[in-house]
This record gives sequence, structure tokens and C-alpha cells, in this order.
Amino acid sequence: DGGITQSPKYLFRKEGQNVTLSCEQNLNHDAMYWYRQDPGQGLRLIYYSQIVNDFQKGDIAEGYSVSREKKESFPLTVTSAQKNPTAFYLCASMGQGDAEAFFGQGTRLTVV
Amino acid sequence: KQEVTQIPAALSVPEGENLVLNCSFTDSAIYNLQWFRQDPGKGLTSLLLIQSSQREQTSGRLNASLDKSSGRSTLYIAASQPGDSATYLCAVCSGNTGKLIFGQGTTLQVKP
Repeated sequence: DGGITQSPKYLFRKEGQNVTLSCEQNLNHDAMYWYRQDPGQGLRLIYYSQIVNDFQKGDIAEGYSVSREKKESFPLTVTSAQKNPTAFYLCASMGQGDAEAFFGQGTRLTVV
Repeated sequence: KQEVTQIPAALSVPEGENLVLNCSFTDSAIYNLQWFRQDPGKGLTSLLLIQSSQREQTSGRLNASLDKSSGRSTLYIAASQPGDSATYLCAVCSGNTGKLIFGQGTTLQVKP
């Protein structure tokens, strides 16, 4: 089945640690996106990538980093510089043509 | 900078009512507009995708319209059911940057 997979579903981080969230897609999509969602809020764009080996900052990139070494993978690292990382993180991919976006099921990150 | 606004933020209706959700955006240079549904703690499910050259799209009891010149889209839900209870989000894909920008969402409750 084609789709987009995020792992893990739940993640706990100690203060001062870096953690990496995984996002993998087998839809052969060029564009991939990372969003953060806080309770009762909409989605805010962290980073996006329209092609392998290239990515751009979104609206809230501070404290986050990404890489795009393979078309199917777009991991997000939440660094210790992110002061309030507890949130729900969503990854999306989008193909060419009609450019419909598809989302993973999300990773809930909690700082303990 | 593209800004997307959804009104109302929350809506509660009795089962069987027809209802309209509103989405507005500030920059008309969009590639497409997409409506999503989100259930609590879950990822996003695509409902309807409207290309910039289109005026509306329909799927079952859902109809989405797009007026690019005025920066508005509406999602019409006919004969609402309790299973329609969820948060509905609209997103615009920028024609210039490829960014996918979301509104804050409308949380819908349909009472039996």
C-alpha cells in the first residue's frame, strides 16, 4: 500500500536532548513538509523540501533541523535549542500534477 | 505573506442540518486549495482538492467552492451526521513558493 509513515507514534524527550522524528513515503512524491500542531491550534510549517538535497525554512524553523538525502525520507530533528518542543508533529508529502497533499498519522512529542 | 483564516472556529449543529464552513486567504497566487478533516489525535485526511483554475469540487455530501479573485473558499456539508464531527482545515498551496499554509480550523460537532 502506498502511503506516508511517521515513527514513532509517541516520543518522550528529556530536556537538553536532541530527538529525531522519522517520515517515510512510498508515493514517489517530490515535496515533503513538516508541521507542528499545538492543542486547539492549526498547523504551523517548520520546514519543507521540494526536491532531494534541498529544503527551505517554514514559519517556525528555529530549534529544528532537517535533511533530505533520499526522495522517500525527510527526518526532523528537534534540537535542545527548541524551548517548547512538546507538540504533535505531522509530516506530509505532495506529488506533481494536481499536487494533492497526504499526511502521516503524526508523532506526539513530550518533554519530561 | 500568505495568511489563511477559517470562520467559525467552532460550530455545533443538530443532525440533518446543512452547513457551511468558510476559508479566506490573502494572496490569490495559489496553485490549489485543499480541505482536510482531522479526528482528535489523528493525522489529516484529504476531503477535496480544488485547482486554481476550478470553481468547485464535489464528493458525496461535500461540496467545496473556490473564488480565487476574492480569496475565499467554502465547504458545504449536506445533511450533517454525528460521524461528521471533527476539525476541518483548509490549506492553500502557494503558486510561487510551494508552501502549504493552513488555517486554524473549524471544529464541528453534530448532535444526534
